[in-house]
Amino acid sequence: EAQLVESGGGLVQPGGSLRLSCAASRFTFSDHYMDWVRQAPGKGLDWVGRSRNKANSYTTEYAASVKGRFTISRDESKNSLFLQMNSLEIEDTAVYYCIRVQGGGNSYAFDLWGQGTMVTVSS
Amino acid sequence: DIQMTQSPSTLSASVGDRVTVTCRASQSVSSSLAWYQQKPGKAPRLLIYKASSLQSGVPSRFSGSGSGTEFTLTISSLQPDDFATYYCQQFKSYPVTFGGGTKVEIK
Repeated sequence: EAQLVESGGGLVQPGGSLRLSCAASRFTFSDHYMDWVRQAPGKGLDWVGRSRNKANSYTTEYAASVKGRFTISRDESKNSLFLQMNSLEIEDTAVYYCIRVQGGGNSYAFDLWGQGTMVTVSS
Repeated sequence: DIQMTQSPSTLSASVGDRVTVTCRASQSVSSSLAWYQQKPGKAPRLLIYKASSLQSGVPSRFSGSGSGTEFTLTISSLQPDDFATYYCQQFKSYPVTFGGGTKVEIK
């Protein structure tokens, strides 16, 4: 069964950096768009950004709130997705989910989610 | 950005009830809409994609309809396992956006 496992969350001070990792298994990682979504405590879902698939040169998209501070990358050899988070703000405190995107066009959907990793930004 | 508005924000219902959740988009998203179910402490689960297509493994009591700016998620007969929060999501344009969620509670 396909799986995503995130790691790297923790407590960091405002202005600090953190790198999240997502290990993908039992599916062809390079074929899929991969996204990050976050959820602040007690709040709704908030899209962070996207890494397109290999056919689309792994190009990226970001939410305005994180653009210029966060960077999404992949290591194809390790079937891993990364989220480098710099200049962290208290408002970035959330559970961060790694997600596989299925389909294309109107059929896009988030069909596989990791368990999430908690990031707390606090002094 | 396309704003997604769900109603109601909270819904109280009983086992066996027919339940409908509405999602409205601030501009047309065609049928580029998905629905998710989330239980406390768990990752969301995909229920419906392309507005009305049932994801594999999801019970047939769940259905989705709509296109353009107005969408509905219907649970035909609410089961104990269905008490959760439901989110809609649009994929029509960046940024991908979610509705604020509808919590389905036990009446």
